[in-house]
Amino acid sequence: EADIYQTPRYLVIGTGKKITLECSQTMGHDKMYWYQQDPGMELHLIHYSYGVNSTEKGDLSSESTVSRIRTEHFPLTLESARPSHTSQYLCASAGGGDSNEQFFGPGTRLTVL
Amino acid sequence: GQNIDQPTEMTATEGAIVQINCTYQTSGFNGLFWYQQHAGEAPTFLSYNVLDGLEEKGRFSSFLSRSKGYSYLLLKELQMKDSASYLCALMDSNYQLIWGAGTKLIIKP
Repeated sequence: EADIYQTPRYLVIGTGKKITLECSQTMGHDKMYWYQQDPGMELHLIHYSYGVNSTEKGDLSSESTVSRIRTEHFPLTLESARPSHTSQYLCASAGGGDSNEQFFGPGTRLTVL
Repeated sequence: GQNIDQPTEMTATEGAIVQINCTYQTSGFNGLFWYQQHAGEAPTFLSYNVLDGLEEKGRFSSFLSRSKGYSYLLLKELQMKDSASYLCALMDSNYQLIWGAGTKLIIKP
């Protein structure tokens, strides 16, 4: 079954730690995205990729990096976590075509103490 | 720049009809999306409009007027499970989605 996965689902971590949030999709989509969303607020684009070895920064600077070595995998790394990084992180993918519909993973809820 | 406005919260009664409006300003337009998001969950796709007019999909319909920068989502025969946030998102000239803050819909028995 084609799907999009994120791990971990929940993470509590101390300030200054390096963390990597994983995102994988089995739909063969070229486009992948990372969003940050606080409760009751809009989604903010952090990073996106239109294919292997292609990554771009979104509007929200979150002091994070991404890589796209394989089509199906798009991990997000925070080099030094801070309490301001506490949020929900959503990964999405899109296959293009006429609709550009984005499919979302279940999200990672991150708490930085 | 781009801007999206939608009401923060709406309340409706089970079995009724509700219309959630979305207005936008943008210099580039490649379509408008509506997503549903239950609390604590990821958004799920509801509809996509790129041309003017009404798109109907079961109990849900979405309308677009590009000249007015206006869209609405119409939900019929409301059910309790429809209680969620409804997100309006604009696809800009770079094919990025610009998201509204969402409308929280509360359904009462």
